[in-house]
Amino acid sequence: EAQVTQNPRYLITVTGKKLTVTCSQNMNHEYMSWYRQDPGLGLRQIYYSMNVEVTDKGDVPEGYKVSRKEKRNFPLILESPSPNQTSLYFCASSFLGAKETQYFGPGTRLLVL
Amino acid sequence: DQQVKQNSPSLSVQEGRISILNCDYTNSMFDYFLWYKKYPAEGPTFLISISSIKDKNEDGRFTVFLNKSAKHLSLHIVPSQPGDSAVYFCAARFQGAQKLVFGQGTRLTINP
Repeated sequence: EAQVTQNPRYLITVTGKKLTVTCSQNMNHEYMSWYRQDPGLGLRQIYYSMNVEVTDKGDVPEGYKVSRKEKRNFPLILESPSPNQTSLYFCASSFLGAKETQYFGPGTRLLVL
Repeated sequence: DQQVKQNSPSLSVQEGRISILNCDYTNSMFDYFLWYKKYPAEGPTFLISISSIKDKNEDGRFTVFLNKSAKHLSLHIVPSQPGDSAVYFCAARFQGAQKLVFGQGTRLTINP
């Protein structure tokens, strides 16, 4: 089944404790992206990747890191999480092309205490 | 600065009637628009899209209208069904770009 998977789905952590949210897709997509969803703000892009070893900042990259060592995986790293990073996170992927549909993972709900 | 705006956080419609969800944008460089639907505990799923060279696109019960001069698009669902209850996100894309710019979302509730 074609899908984007994220782990963990739910996470409670404390300020400053490094964490990684994994994202994997099995559709051989070149493009992958991370979004965060916050009430009243919709989904905002954090980072994106056009292909292996090619990543760039989105609209709200502060406090986040990413890597793209393999085509299928695009982990989101929070080196020192803070309470303002409490949010719902979505990974998405698509083929390259302006009209290609982006497929979203199920989301990871993060609470930083 | 919110470039894509959905000014109605919620909408309640009776089953069988028409649901109309609205979206406004500010950047005239957007050339492709999409609607995504999101159920609780799931990721958004693509619903329907429209290119800026068109003013209407239809797919079954779903129709998207684009008014470029007003920088406004709308999603019509006819007839509305209980399974349409979800959050709907409007999104826009710049020409040649992959990035999606999303609105805040509208929660649609279809009442039996």
